[in-house]
Amino acid sequence: EAGVTQFPSHSVIEKGQTVTLRCDPISGHDNLYWYRRVMGKEIKFLLHFVKESKQDESGMPNNRFLAERTGGTYSTLKVQPAELEDSGVYFCASSPPPRRASGTSLFQETQYFGPGTRLLVL
Amino acid sequence: GQNIDQPTEMTATEGAIVQINCTYQTSGFNGLFWYQQHAGEAPTFLSYNVLDGLEEKGRFSSFLSRSKGYSYLLLKELQMKDSASYLCAVNGNEKLTFGTGTRLTIIP
Repeated sequence: EAGVTQFPSHSVIEKGQTVTLRCDPISGHDNLYWYRRVMGKEIKFLLHFVKESKQDESGMPNNRFLAERTGGTYSTLKVQPAELEDSGVYFCASSPPPRRASGTSLFQETQYFGPGTRLLVL
Repeated sequence: GQNIDQPTEMTATEGAIVQINCTYQTSGFNGLFWYQQHAGEAPTFLSYNVLDGLEEKGRFSSFLSRSKGYSYLLLKELQMKDSASYLCAVNGNEKLTFGTGTRLTIIP
């Protein structure tokens, strides 16, 4: 089974330019997440899709970031215009829906991560 | 909000045992994950704890105490390939909050 794939693996752009990152989740995974790791800091949540709908976009830094998941398959994350502080590694992850465990508790499915896109804004 | 703490770096000897601790303070908790990440690669899933106690999987075990906000990852029979970063992450409302990761170096 193919894992989560991301494209490109690396991107170097100048401040003010536009960059679009792509994520292909594992087939059949309704949940798709974007995370970012800025140098020296922890991985931070950006947003969460359930199929084509944005479930939670509380981690998006500002309106220069636009994520889409048309058709509920692959997703794109566009940064326009890019700023120096946008440099970092952008990870995508996917997971199946959570399962109902005993009683009312939910078993959270594992999120499987892609290799990331390393973005450098100069 | 969420706060996750784990040591920045650790060193251990090949063949030995090492324990990586993680403490957390959360406003919501749906389980704790451990991931392994080699440089330049994707974080890969190691373990998941949602109930108190120990989960064992081969050379790796993970423990959780929800009342103490504490978890550890135990690696036995260390191999050189275990040199990597180990990430503690808490699931709250389906999104993961990560610690900064522990960089583990295995020496011969």
